[in-house]
Formats: sequence, C-alpha cells, structure tokens
Amino acid sequence: GENVEQHPSTLSVQEGDSAVIKCTYSDSASNYFPWYKQELGKRPQLIIDIRSNVGEKKDQRIAVTLNKTAKHFSLHITETQPEDSAVYFCAGYPSSGSARQLTFGSGTQLTVLP
Amino acid sequence: SAVISQKPSRDICQRGTSLTIQCQVDSQVTMMFWYRQQPGQSLTLIATANQGSEATYESGFVIDKFPISRPNLTFSTLTVSNMSPEDSSIYLCSGSTVINEKLFFGSGTQLSVL
Repeated sequence: GENVEQHPSTLSVQEGDSAVIKCTYSDSASNYFPWYKQELGKRPQLIIDIRSNVGEKKDQRIAVTLNKTAKHFSLHITETQPEDSAVYFCAGYPSSGSARQLTFGSGTQLTVLP
Repeated sequence: SAVISQKPSRDICQRGTSLTIQCQVDSQVTMMFWYRQQPGQSLTLIATANQGSEATYESGFVIDKFPISRPNLTFSTLTVSNMSPEDSSIYLCSGSTVINEKLFFGSGTQLSVL
C-alpha cells in the first residue's frame, strides 16, 4: 500500500514570506495528490490537487509541484498571511483506486507570524 | 464541491454509552466514508459506508464497536458503541464525488468520553 511522509511537522514563517511543505510517497502507481487545509476546530478542506501528468499547478498564492522520478510533491504558499495559519495535510493514491485508498500525511502545523 | 452535513457537532458522553453520528450528503457524492482524527493527529479511515449492505472496515476497526448504516445514497450513520475515554476524538464523515477521487469532509463531531 501507499506510504506518505510529510515534513516538517511544524513550520513558522513571517507574514509575507513563503512556506514550503514537502511530501514523499512510496507507490509509483500513485498519480493523484490532493492537499488539505484544516483550521482549528474546522473540517479539512481541499485547497489544491495535482495529477501525475502535470509537474506544477498554481492557484493564486498556492502552488503544488510534483517530481515523479523522486516521488515527492510540495505545497508552496507565497506572500503568507495570518489566515494561512492551519494544519496542512498531503495525500496520495493510485488513479485506479478509489478514495478509500487515500493515504494522508501526518500533517504540518503552519504558523504565520504577524 | 460537495455539501456534507454532519451532526451532532460535539457531545460529551459517559463511559459505557453509545453515540450515533448522522451524515447527509448531496447527490454529487457516490462513496461515503468515516474517519477518525485523534487530537493532534492525521486522519484515519474507519470504514467505507456501503449503500444497503455492511460497511467495509479498515484494519483495527470492527463492526461491533463502530456499526455503520447507509440506508440510501445520501445518508449514513456511525455509532460509537460502549464508549471509553480512548474513543475521545473527532469523527468525520466524508464523501467522494462522481469522479471518485476528490474527497470532501463534513464538519466533524468532537466526542469527549468521561
């Protein structure tokens, strides 16, 4: 089965700086990688996702990059704001599988300091 | 995104009692799942709720402890039975859409067992 490792577990940045969270995966068949943001006391929310046929995807201040050869993918947040403070989870699974096979990383607590 | 409603949002229960959590999803959702999120931890899949038949449980979770129903396509319940303090956690209903990969979450049930 898939194994997803996420680093760092905690990350503090100054407002306006960039934040990068990295994940590695083990199953070379994995080709769908979503990222979730979970604010304190709230539900996890899908913020961006990427398929393995794409190397990078951007949505305003958020971007995800994928390196299939190295089997790792990263979340990039630019011009961070206090409202970006949350726990971020990466995940991955094979396209031939169902959401049941979604494997989550351990999470990164991002704190944006004003 | 899919609309997923979950209740109750929180409850405080006595040891040995049971709590049933309800989840209602919109028609975009095809598969429904139940997750547990222990304090400060990642998301762990409890089971896949199957319409009109027994749920599919993940390793470490059993039907006697976590009976699940899904009488129709858009509604499911999870019961946490014979509760102990170790069951204190957030329980999340989730669903994936027709394309069977994007996973959306309900607002969660914060359970505390005394």
